[in-house]
Amino acid sequence: GDSVTQMEGPVTLSEEAFLTINCTYTATGYPSLFWYVQYPGEGLQLLLKATKADDKGSNKGFEATYRKETTSFHLEKGSVQVSDSAVYFCALSGYGNKLVFGAGTILRVKS
Amino acid sequence: NAGVTQTPKFRILKIGQSMTLQCTQDMNHNYMYWYRQDPGMGLKLIYYSVGAGITDKGEVPNGYNVSRSTTEDFPLRLELAAPSQTSVYFCASSYSTRVGVFGNTIYFGEGSWLTVV
Repeated sequence: GDSVTQMEGPVTLSEEAFLTINCTYTATGYPSLFWYVQYPGEGLQLLLKATKADDKGSNKGFEATYRKETTSFHLEKGSVQVSDSAVYFCALSGYGNKLVFGAGTILRVKS
Repeated sequence: NAGVTQTPKFRILKIGQSMTLQCTQDMNHNYMYWYRQDPGMGLKLIYYSVGAGITDKGEVPNGYNVSRSTTEDFPLRLELAAPSQTSVYFCASSYSTRVGVFGNTIYFGEGSWLTVV
C-alpha cells in the first residue's frame, strides 16, 4: 500500500540556519503530496502542497518540490526562526482522498 | 471561522467504559475522517466517510464505530475502552466533487486527548 517515510528527528538548528527535512513516498498512481505542521498543543495545519510532478509548493518561506523520478518531496527553508519549532508531517493523498502520513519530524530551533 | 470542531478536548476513561467523540464541520465538506496520533507513529486513519449515510474503515478501525447521519456531524464511538486506545484523536474534513481527485486540502480539528486507565 501507499506509504511515506520521513527523516527521523528531532532536528535541532540554530536560528537562521538552513532546514531540510527529507520525505520519500511509495504510491500507486499519481498522488498529491503535502506538508502539514503541528505546533505544540494544536491540531495539524496545511503548510504546503503539490498536486503533480515538478510542482513546487511554497508558504511562509518553506518550499518543497514534487520529484516523481526520486519519489521525494523534501521540505526546505533558507532561514529558520524559533517560531518554526514544531512537528512536521509529510503526507500523500491517493485514491479516496485519504491522507497517508509519515511519522513526523520534530524541529527545534534555538535562539 | 469555526471549521472543524471536536469535543471533548480532554477525557480520562476507565477500562471498559464507552464514550463518543463529537465532530462537526461547517464548511459543507462531503468527506470526513477520524485519525489517531500515537507518539512517533504519525497519524493513522480509523474511519472515513464520503457523504451522509456512507462510512468505511480505515487502517485501524478495531474498537471504534462511526455514523454519518448528516453532512456536518461525524461522531466516533469507543466501545469497551482499552489502554491501547490512549491517543490523540483528530477529526478532519475535505471537499471533493469526484473520486480520483487527490489534491483537495484536508482540514483538521484541534484534537481530543484521550487517556484510558
